Amino acid sequence: DAKTTQPNSMESNEEEPVHLPCNHSTISGTDYIHWYRQLPSQGPEYVIHGLTSNVNNRMASLAIAEDRKSSTLILHRATLRDAAVYYCILRDGTNAGKSTFGDGTTLTVKP
Amino acid sequence: DGGITQSPKYLFRKEGQNVTLSCEQNLNHDAMYWYRQDPGQGLRLIYYSQIVNDFQKGDIAEGYSVSREKKESFPLTVTSAQKNPTAFYLCASSIRGVGAIVHYNEQFFGPGTRLTVL
Repeated sequence: DAKTTQPNSMESNEEEPVHLPCNHSTISGTDYIHWYRQLPSQGPEYVIHGLTSNVNNRMASLAIAEDRKSSTLILHRATLRDAAVYYCILRDGTNAGKSTFGDGTTLTVKP
Repeated sequence: DGGITQSPKYLFRKEGQNVTLSCEQNLNHDAMYWYRQDPGQGLRLIYYSQIVNDFQKGDIAEGYSVSREKKESFPLTVTSAQKNPTAFYLCASSIRGVGAIVHYNEQFFGPGTRLTVL
């Protein structure tokens, strides 16, 4: 199964942009790149996903490398509510249930 | 309000007992999933179901069982065969995609059940 690698932790200042990296060098052509975030003792919350092209939504932007071996989640203006564990996940579009979760990046936002 | 619910929030089990965790969704989603999360770690897939009366094992299915008799319900039983069941259990659902691309859609997660073995 394709795996993802993320830094264990990152810090950001409030109101500044945050770039959360993810490496997935063994990604297959049918893997979608998903990002979720999780607060302590809560279920994960969907953030964004993409296949090949960069994606934007109201929460964040997803920049996908041309070779798809890495991606970056961009939070344009971090707020204290963005402090969470962020998971970069590969979901196989042809094999139901094949989702690989890593250990995620703990984002700390300083006021 | 549409959503996915799990009950109970906290569950205590004695060794040798089977316990069942409830997961219900009113999002009209075909696909449902069960994950296990240990402290400081990511989620690991236990079982998933694409459609009623059908389910498949995930990466860590040993010691667990599921049923999918109704679209909105996907209960998980933790059996006595699961040697280390203390964990945070998360249920999720998603829209089933069309054609060959079945599961690329976002997953909606429940609030979780924390199971502790006494």
